[in-house]
Amino acid sequence: DTAVSQTPKYLVTQMGNDKSIKCEQNLGHDTMYWYKQDSKKFLKIMFSYNNKELIINETVPNRFSPKSPDKAHLNLHINSLELGDSAVYFCASSLGTDTQYFGPGTRLTVL
Amino acid sequence: DAKTTQPPSMDCAEGRAANLPCNHSTISGNEYVYWYRQIHSQGPQYIIHGLKNNETNEMASLIITEDRKSSTLILPHATLRDTAVYYCIVRAHNTNAGKSTFGDGTTLTVKP
Repeated sequence: DTAVSQTPKYLVTQMGNDKSIKCEQNLGHDTMYWYKQDSKKFLKIMFSYNNKELIINETVPNRFSPKSPDKAHLNLHINSLELGDSAVYFCASSLGTDTQYFGPGTRLTVL
Repeated sequence: DAKTTQPPSMDCAEGRAANLPCNHSTISGNEYVYWYRQIHSQGPQYIIHGLKNNETNEMASLIITEDRKSSTLILPHATLRDTAVYYCIVRAHNTNAGKSTFGDGTTLTVKP
């Protein structure tokens, strides 16, 4: 009964491809997030959705497009992948602005 | 959100208490102190949080100074599985809560 799950766990792809990462939470939370952790281990917020509405959109290339089909899902689609997109992407969720719970991460490698 | 300062690394003997300090001298009155940890290759794991009072749960205790400018996370009986990077962050419970910054954290190494 995983709380926050992400698929895939690993993703290896070529530059220029388009890929998606999926996130699902079964905690009944109404807010979901995407974070990026680069090689220096710095964890940085990318997007936040509350009740399917975008509330945080940090300075992220528009090649990254989040999609929230319902409160339990927040997917991340990335177009025209670049080498610099290689990182670990973490999904998280919370009830309102309360404590965030993180998924296991998706390690993206762009070749 | 206020920034935090943590020592880059600490060692602790297995079975002993691990005391991890955090400075947050610019914390605002409505900001909570949160602690997370990240075990290698896993997602950050929530440990504990508090506003003013000391807090305790099954994982750890959180001691917040009276002026709220610093705090200490206490793992009462550290085990090898507690080896991880520990992050102290401060965040308010408002629409910008997700913007809380995870800094470099403290790498805790528990040794046999």
